Amino acid sequence: NAGVTQTPKFQVLKTGQSMTLQCAQDMNHEYMSWYRQDPGMGLRLIHYSVGAGITDQGEVPNGYNVSRSTTEDFPLRLLSAAPSQTSVYFCASSYSGRVYEQFFGPGTRLTVL
Amino acid sequence: GQSLEQPSEVTAVEGAIVQINCTYQTSGFYGLSWYQQHDGGAPTFLSYNGLDGLEETGRFSSFLSRSDSYGYLLLQELQMKDSASYFCAVNSARQLTFGSGTQLTVLP
Repeated sequence: NAGVTQTPKFQVLKTGQSMTLQCAQDMNHEYMSWYRQDPGMGLRLIHYSVGAGITDQGEVPNGYNVSRSTTEDFPLRLLSAAPSQTSVYFCASSYSGRVYEQFFGPGTRLTVL
Repeated sequence: GQSLEQPSEVTAVEGAIVQINCTYQTSGFYGLSWYQQHDGGAPTFLSYNGLDGLEETGRFSSFLSRSDSYGYLLLQELQMKDSASYFCAVNSARQLTFGSGTQLTVLP
């Protein structure tokens, strides 16, 4: 099993550009989530999904969109990048009854100039 | 909303025991998780307390007191590889809310 995979590992954008961060898992987990982590801080939840076709907002959803068309994939879209979105982005997944035990991907380090 | 407090840094020597405390205020609480993160890598799950009391997993133990809105992670027989950031996280059924993390430094 590959677990949770994320692409790209690194990305530099200019202000106003859009892009999609990819996330996939092969553990047949119902629950998937996106977090951002800023220096010296914990992880903050952006969006999450409890199953294909179902998404919901977390703590910091503004400027981000998600969709969940399959169980395996949960892409995160930045609509119009801003310097405040410079961060490390982690995708995670878990069984729906075990949200307390999430498996994280390696992260995407995003810089917005 | 949720808020969690944990110390920003803890230092201990190899072989020692260290306790990392976490207090929380929450509007919905199912339990408290603990995660480890090395040098900005992927966080990894360590332990979960859904009920009051102590959970033991090898050298790591975690404790929860719902009445005190308090938990801790206990690391025994510290090793150099335990140097990392440790995060407590409140489970509110559909979401995890993380604390800001405690940087543990283990000295030889």
